[in-house]
Amino acid sequence: AQSVTQLDSQVPVFEEAPVELRCNYSSSVSVYLFWYVQYPNQGLQLLLKYLSGSTLVESINGFEAEFNKSQTSFHLRKPSVHISDTAEYFCAVSSLSSGSARQLTFGSGTQLTVLP
Amino acid sequence: KAGVTQTPRYLIKTRGQQVTLSCSPISGHRSVSWYQQTPGQGLQFLFEYFSETQRNKGNFPGRFSGRQFSNSRSEMNVSTLELGDSALYLCASSFYTGELFFGEGSRLTVL
Repeated sequence: AQSVTQLDSQVPVFEEAPVELRCNYSSSVSVYLFWYVQYPNQGLQLLLKYLSGSTLVESINGFEAEFNKSQTSFHLRKPSVHISDTAEYFCAVSSLSSGSARQLTFGSGTQLTVLP
Repeated sequence: KAGVTQTPRYLIKTRGQQVTLSCSPISGHRSVSWYQQTPGQGLQFLFEYFSETQRNKGNFPGRFSGRQFSNSRSEMNVSTLELGDSALYLCASSFYTGELFFGEGSRLTVL
């Protein structure tokens, strides 16, 4: 079994300030890790993913996340946020065990609100 | 390349009715998964289909069912609707292990 904990349900931050959204996971096997973003009345969009290789992964819009195996964390960071980053962010994990690789376990989400 | 398409986007039903939701995956994707999103329970896995076979099933009652057709399109059905079934139902397709692409969702309201 696996689980994901997003430590902050709401994160308000001023425009152009840095932000970190925290995510910890629990799994007895190796995992893939993801961050998805959801805008109001829309589905989930993949922001970035860790499958293997470099532990630091980046998205095209300035977000990055670092896989830390010893701390079982996959925190999302952005050095300077914009109003348009206001959305709900979900951390997710899937295990590499047979039969469950396409089943994602999601955290409860973090609402990021960027203030002018 | 067209994304995952879900229909209908919005629907309203009454308790006791049944509902069928449709999902067309990205061309070439053979895996289709369904998730339920509610404010109280968050995002929960319903089931996953691959090549017309259900491979995984979440912890939902038997009222929730699904199927996948030979062209990879999928449908999910909820029978004997309850108020608690009101949710956003999300479909996702996948080409290879791990990475899911989601549709816009079908928002079901049960009155």
